[in-house]
Amino acid sequence: SQQGEEDPQALSIQEGENATMNCSYKTSINNLQWYRQNSGRGLVHLILIRSNEREKHSGRLRVTLDTSKKSSSLLITASRAADTASYFCATRPRAGGTSYGKLTFGQGTILTVHP
Amino acid sequence: GAGVSQSPRYKVAKRGQDVALRCDPISGHVSLFWYQQALGQGPEFLTYFQNEAQLDKSGLPSDRFFAERPEGSVSTLKIQRTQQEDSAVYLCASSLVQGQSSYNSPLHFGNGTRLTVT
Repeated sequence: SQQGEEDPQALSIQEGENATMNCSYKTSINNLQWYRQNSGRGLVHLILIRSNEREKHSGRLRVTLDTSKKSSSLLITASRAADTASYFCATRPRAGGTSYGKLTFGQGTILTVHP
Repeated sequence: GAGVSQSPRYKVAKRGQDVALRCDPISGHVSLFWYQQALGQGPEFLTYFQNEAQLDKSGLPSDRFFAERPEGSVSTLKIQRTQQEDSAVYLCASSLVQGQSSYNSPLHFGNGTRLTVT
């Protein structure tokens, strides 16, 4: 079963606009990661935020984490047509046992950026 | 450098056939993961290796699924007596570090094997 739920399921915007995707999860985490997947390809890691961090930036990406609400958001600023892809959040559980190997993914948000 | 390589890229199997999917991780990567991704869904965890040891196989859906990594490098996911519900993309991912450090280590994914069972 999947840990996270992402919202919206699909997002369609114009080039230059900002895109915001949200992720909610259920259990305590060590960190939360965002991945991107182009059609027919594997996932590519974008950014990781630890449970003791609230906000992180990488280029045009901004990620926030609210552990009290068990939610995260990914903001892509000044979007480009090349940003068109599916975006997934993934969580790593708290340390302990052998579960540290298990990165659990959400359902994903399909982002379409129109030129 | 070379990324994670998976073969075949596409596999069509008749129901009841056995299939073997191969994963070549990034050289030197200790951790290796298999995920199953149904159409329009996120990847679902299948199993995890640290070197040659299979530390977690809790996601394997049935005893028809078997994974191995005998020398701690290449891994094979085998599905016996395939069923239509096995149709999916099978993704392999590797990670450089192990143990507690792996918590903050991203996964590097291959492009997957698309399995279609007819």
